[in-house]
Amino acid sequence: KNQVEQSPQSLIILEGKNCTLQCNYTVSPFSNLRWYKQDTGRGPVSLTIMTFSENTKSNGRYTATLDADTKQSSLHITASQLSDSASYICVVSKNSGGFKTIFGAGTRLFVKA
Amino acid sequence: DTGVSQNPRHKITKRGQNVTFRCDPISEHNRLYWYRQTLGQGPEFLTYFQNEAQLEKSRLLSDRFSAERPKGSFSTLEIQRTEQGDSAMYLCASEDRENSPLHFGNGTRLTVT
Repeated sequence: KNQVEQSPQSLIILEGKNCTLQCNYTVSPFSNLRWYKQDTGRGPVSLTIMTFSENTKSNGRYTATLDADTKQSSLHITASQLSDSASYICVVSKNSGGFKTIFGAGTRLFVKA
Repeated sequence: DTGVSQNPRHKITKRGQNVTFRCDPISEHNRLYWYRQTLGQGPEFLTYFQNEAQLEKSRLLSDRFSAERPKGSFSTLEIQRTEQGDSAMYLCASEDRENSPLHFGNGTRLTVT
């Protein structure tokens, strides 16, 4: 059973609209949670990273939230652009170290003009 | 650009052949990771190096797979006697310390025919 579940699996929105992507996890003990953007055919690029004590982190039009009690995170994208079309991957790390990192399957976002 | 570099970008090989991929991490990063990603899924951890020491290997890494990082700089991933199930994107990532972003290369896409 995947310990990091993302929803929705895919999403289509119009340019300029906002959207929110969800990530639920059961990974324990928790170290940090990261959101990555992955364009087709390229490696993931880091958007945000949050540790246990942080409940929100912004990076431009991207805002991530974390509720460590309910083990839920969200990524909110404001004023979407065509270039936001990509997969968004939620990544949760146990304790520490990348080798204990568990990736979600991602949400595929399509932004249409 | 001094990001993570992977070569080749694409590799097509016949079943049973051996292949080798190379990863050049960001120069000051002593932690290096290999991941495998199939279509529609998030990356799966394969192995982790700190400097030249291979500290962790996933059970996904069968005895046909071997990775090295001989001088603590670049790394190679070799797959012997390739099988069609090995077809995937192989991603390399590096980081300089715990709880810092993973920097990914753009991957090597392997197709085994």
